[in-house]
Amino acid sequence: AQSVTQPDIHITVSEGASLELRCNYSYGATPYLFWYVQSPGQGLQLLLKYFSGDTLVQGIKGFEAEFKRSQSSFNLRKPSVHWSDAAEYFCAVGYMDTGRRALTFGSGTRLQVQP
Amino acid sequence: EAGVAQSPRYKIIEKRQSVAFWCNPISGHATLYWYQQILGQGPKLLIQFQNNGVVDDSQLPKDRFSAERLKGVDSTLKIQPAKLEDSAVYLCASTRGTGPNRNPYEQYFGPGTRLTVT
Repeated sequence: AQSVTQPDIHITVSEGASLELRCNYSYGATPYLFWYVQSPGQGLQLLLKYFSGDTLVQGIKGFEAEFKRSQSSFNLRKPSVHWSDAAEYFCAVGYMDTGRRALTFGSGTRLQVQP
Repeated sequence: EAGVAQSPRYKIIEKRQSVAFWCNPISGHATLYWYQQILGQGPKLLIQFQNNGVVDDSQLPKDRFSAERLKGVDSTLKIQPAKLEDSAVYLCASTRGTGPNRNPYEQYFGPGTRLTVT
């Protein structure tokens, strides 16, 4: 069965510091990969997506992510974090070769930003 | 274009009562999803519609949950009777659906309905 693991439940970084949020997925087929951000009381906003091609993808708000097939990973990065980046981040995966079309989400990583 | 609309935004009920949530997807989006997000977890699919037909309801607790999308546009999710463990945020999402040049995973989410069962 497909699954997504976000090993870090909670991360705290200082404003201006770099950020990396980890995401690993299981399943052998080629996945579609996503990162979403959720601010308190808000819905999910898509940060970036990977479908095929260049394994380094750029998203909104200065975020990027790199797909590494050999490591089954899709880690999210940002070179300099802003206080407004404090939120919950979800990695999600979808697979075209299954009958389902819904996304499978990780359990999320809560990001706190210290001034 | 307008985003996915959901109402109400918040609802508090007692256990064993019933509740209904409404979702209006982005205009023209054929596929609609309901997800349940329990506090501290990622969203989990409850049901997927393609137009007015159910594609996947394997994870819907059918003894108490029901959903419909009669005209293939807006949708209603109902819980009857509610249990304490149903406290969660219920998210609705939509996509343009399958077919050429359409990626069914590019989903757009509404703001959610936060349900508290006491």
